[in-house]
Amino acid sequence: KNEVEQSPQNLTAQEGEFITINCSYSVGISALHWLQQHPGGGIVSLFMLSSGKKKHGRLIATINIQEKHSSLHITASHPRDSAVYICVRNTGNQFYFGTGTSLTVIP
Amino acid sequence: ETGVTQSPTHLIKTRGQQVTLRCSSQSGHNTVSWYQQALGQGPQFIFQYYREEENGRGNFPPRFSGLQFPNYSSELNVNALELDDSALYLCASSLDNNYGYTFGSGTRLTVV
Repeated sequence: KNEVEQSPQNLTAQEGEFITINCSYSVGISALHWLQQHPGGGIVSLFMLSSGKKKHGRLIATINIQEKHSSLHITASHPRDSAVYICVRNTGNQFYFGTGTSLTVIP
Repeated sequence: ETGVTQSPTHLIKTRGQQVTLRCSSQSGHNTVSWYQQALGQGPQFIFQYYREEENGRGNFPPRFSGLQFPNYSSELNVNALELDDSALYLCASSLDNNYGYTFGSGTRLTVV
């Protein structure tokens, strides 16, 4: 049973659209990570959250600890944002990965 | 500031053999974690090392073992390779597991 659920699994958007990817988890966390993985495997760590909200450029990540839910938002999406976005629950020294959301942004 | 470097980038091994994968952490990082990502699947956590000690482990058998050295570089060793061990192996480093992780580009292992 995957303890980290992401939605949607696949997402296609037009360039410029606002995108939201959701992540829900079932138990408490030390931190929640959002990762971006491009074709070929390279992974970039986007955010590490334990509360509230973080922003980096066009990316915004929020977390609601009480509801055990996090969202990743992309404003003014661009084809270079096309990638798999992975939510990772970090509890103590254990990491549990979501199934990923495959995003395709069409010009 | 250097990133995380993994070597080799690609590797082909025969079933039953042993393999050692290497990871050079980002400068100043004392925590390293390893992940296995099978084709078409998300990464799975293998284990984590902090200051040369294993301090977290996922659901992997003992034939997956590791080391972290005083300079915080790390090795992942896999004994008695099985076909299902074919995957992309990623390492990531962090400072005290309290900050974001920097990932390496991975080693793609193929077991034939």
